[in-house]
Amino acid sequence: EAGVAQSPRYKIIEKRQSVAFWCNPISGHATLYWYQQILGQGPKLLIQFQNNGVVDDSQLPKDRFSAERLKGVDSTLKIQPAKLEDSAVYLCASSLFAGPQHFGDGTRLSIL
Amino acid sequence: AQKITQTQPGMFVQEKEAVTLDCTYDTSDQSYGLFWYKQPSSGEMIFLIYQGSYDEQNATEGRYSLNFQKARKSANLVISASQLGDSAMYFCAMRKTSYDKVIFGPGTSLSVIP
Repeated sequence: EAGVAQSPRYKIIEKRQSVAFWCNPISGHATLYWYQQILGQGPKLLIQFQNNGVVDDSQLPKDRFSAERLKGVDSTLKIQPAKLEDSAVYLCASSLFAGPQHFGDGTRLSIL
Repeated sequence: AQKITQTQPGMFVQEKEAVTLDCTYDTSDQSYGLFWYKQPSSGEMIFLIYQGSYDEQNATEGRYSLNFQKARKSANLVISASQLGDSAMYFCAMRKTSYDKVIFGPGTSLSVIP
């Protein structure tokens, strides 16, 4: 089966610019997650979707980050405006009910 | 609140030897799941092994086994016969219920020495 697809793999922007990441989960996986992983740390959950509804977004900086999952399949995470501290790898994962998470390759974001 | 602790920031092991990576967790719930993931330097997160809180036997997957001690709230990963390709970051994670968020620990960096 095809894995979790993410794009782009790398993105370099200047602070105060906007950026968007795209994720296509494994077919049939109802749960989709976006994580932020800063170098040397474990992943931090930004938002979790169950189909197209939000289960948890308690750690999403809502003044600058937004995410949507239209039709309960693929998802987009946006940052506007970006800050220097947003430099990180953004990981998307999906899972079946109660199953392990399967991760995409991530997007490495650098803010100049 | 749930919390995962991995007390070993870095570990070294000789090739072909076994190594144990520690993980302790804090939860007041009786039902939860524990996961271990591997993250090589290339960045992808790879699922290794899962243990449910009600599973009576320790989970095993090939060279990976989980030493689950529920009363001590520990879920240590044991890697047998280490290989050079095992050099990576290892993350312990926990999920309270099927729809709950997954909490990750800070990770342990494992280096396998030839």
